[in-house]
Amino acid sequence: DVKVTQSSRYLVKRTGEKVFLECVQDMDHENMFWYRQDPGLGLRLIYFSYDVKMKEKGDIPEGYSVSREKKERFSLILESASTNQTSMYLCASSSADSNTEAFFGQGTRLTVV
Amino acid sequence: AQSVSQHNHHVILSEAASLELGCNYSYGGTVNLFWYVQYPGQHLQLLLKYFSGDPLVKGIKGFEAEFIKSKFSFNLRKPSVQWSDTAEYFCAVIPMEYGNKLVFGAGTILRVKS
Repeated sequence: DVKVTQSSRYLVKRTGEKVFLECVQDMDHENMFWYRQDPGLGLRLIYFSYDVKMKEKGDIPEGYSVSREKKERFSLILESASTNQTSMYLCASSSADSNTEAFFGQGTRLTVV
Repeated sequence: AQSVSQHNHHVILSEAASLELGCNYSYGGTVNLFWYVQYPGQHLQLLLKYFSGDPLVKGIKGFEAEFIKSKFSFNLRKPSVQWSDTAEYFCAVIPMEYGNKLVFGAGTILRVKS
């Protein structure tokens, strides 16, 4: 079974803290994605990566950065957390063949207080 | 802005009713199309996908979707819903001109009354 694992299910952080969300996949996928999921807005793409050390901005990259030093790991970084970044964060991975589906992690519910 | 639109945010149906959820996209070139489902407390999983060929695609659990290129649409259907279909449904698109970027709609929450 394909597995996409996010390091935390729930996180509570203070405003201004630097926050790291980690994601690991075990299927040797080239593509990895970070989304945030908010009620009524669906999944909005923050960043994606199609190879090690390669990244592209999604639709809402402001306030976030990413790191992909190894193929299996894709980290989302909130440089200075703010309350409007309280959300569910979903990581996904897929192969380079666009004719295949993406696989999702369980999500990290981040609350910034 | 280029996007994926889902017409209804909330749908409530009785068991055995027929379901159709609308999805339209605004990308002009070749697209790959998906419907994902998220059951309460679970992660997103694939219902069905379309890449080429027969525009009527069958997925898991009796769902199907029809790609109508002229209407930029990929509507999801099920002839008779069950209480267990209660979930949130997401339409998603890979616009090939943007590589493998996977773009989602806002989702439709379906509640099936038993």
